[in-house]
Amino acid sequence: GQNIDQPTEMTATEGAIVQINCTYQTSGFNGLFWYQQHAGEAPTFLSYNVLDGLEEKGRFSSFLSRSKGYSYLLLKELQMKDSASYLCAVTDSNYQLIWGAGTKLIIKP
Amino acid sequence: IAGITQAPTSQILAAGRRMTLRCTQDMRHNAMYWYRQDLGLGLRLIHYSNTAGTTGKGEVPDGYSVSRANTDDFPLTLASAVPSQTSVYFCASSVKTGPNEKLFFGSGTQLSVL
Repeated sequence: GQNIDQPTEMTATEGAIVQINCTYQTSGFNGLFWYQQHAGEAPTFLSYNVLDGLEEKGRFSSFLSRSKGYSYLLLKELQMKDSASYLCAVTDSNYQLIWGAGTKLIIKP
Repeated sequence: IAGITQAPTSQILAAGRRMTLRCTQDMRHNAMYWYRQDLGLGLRLIHYSNTAGTTGKGEVPDGYSVSRANTDDFPLTLASAVPSQTSVYFCASSVKTGPNEKLFFGSGTQLSVL
C-alpha cells in the first residue's frame, strides 16, 4: 500500500530551528509537496521538490532524497505564527496525490 | 480577493437528509477537487474534475456525487447523509492537472451528521 509517515506533533521554541521529517512509500514518485495549515483554516502551499537536494525559500527550506524516500521541512528563526500543522504529500506514478496526516507544530515563547 | 469560496461554513445535518456543499472559484482554474479531512488521517480525495464537463472518482467517492457544468462551480452532494460523513470538507483547484500543480484550497465546510 501507499504510505506517508510524519510525526504527529512537535514542540519548538521561538527563535529556534525545527526539522519536520516525512518518509514515503508510494507506487512511483512524481514530486513531493509541503503545505501549511493553521488551525481551522485551509492548507496553503509551501514547497515542491522533484529532484534531490535542498530548496530554500526564506526561513523555510525543503529537502528531498528520492533514494531514501525521505524529505524534511526546515523552519528557521521560528515565530509564533509558525504554529500550525505541516502536511507532506507525494504525487505517485498515476499523478494521484497521497497525503500524510500532518505534523502539528507547537511554538513556545 | 480572487480565490475559492465554499458555502456553508458549517452545517449540522440530520442523517438521511440531502445536502449540497457549494464551491466556486474565480481563478479560471481547469481542475477542481473535493477532499475530506478527518482527525489523524491525511486529506482524502472524494471526487475531482480535470476540466468543465468531466468528473472522476477519488479515493472515497461512495455516498457523494459532483457535477461540473462550468469552469467556476463544483458542488458536492450528499444524497442521504450518514454519521460517518461528519468531517471537514475542502474544495481545491489547480491551474491544470499535473504532478507539479499546487492546489489552492477553499476555507472549508465543517459538516456534522447526527
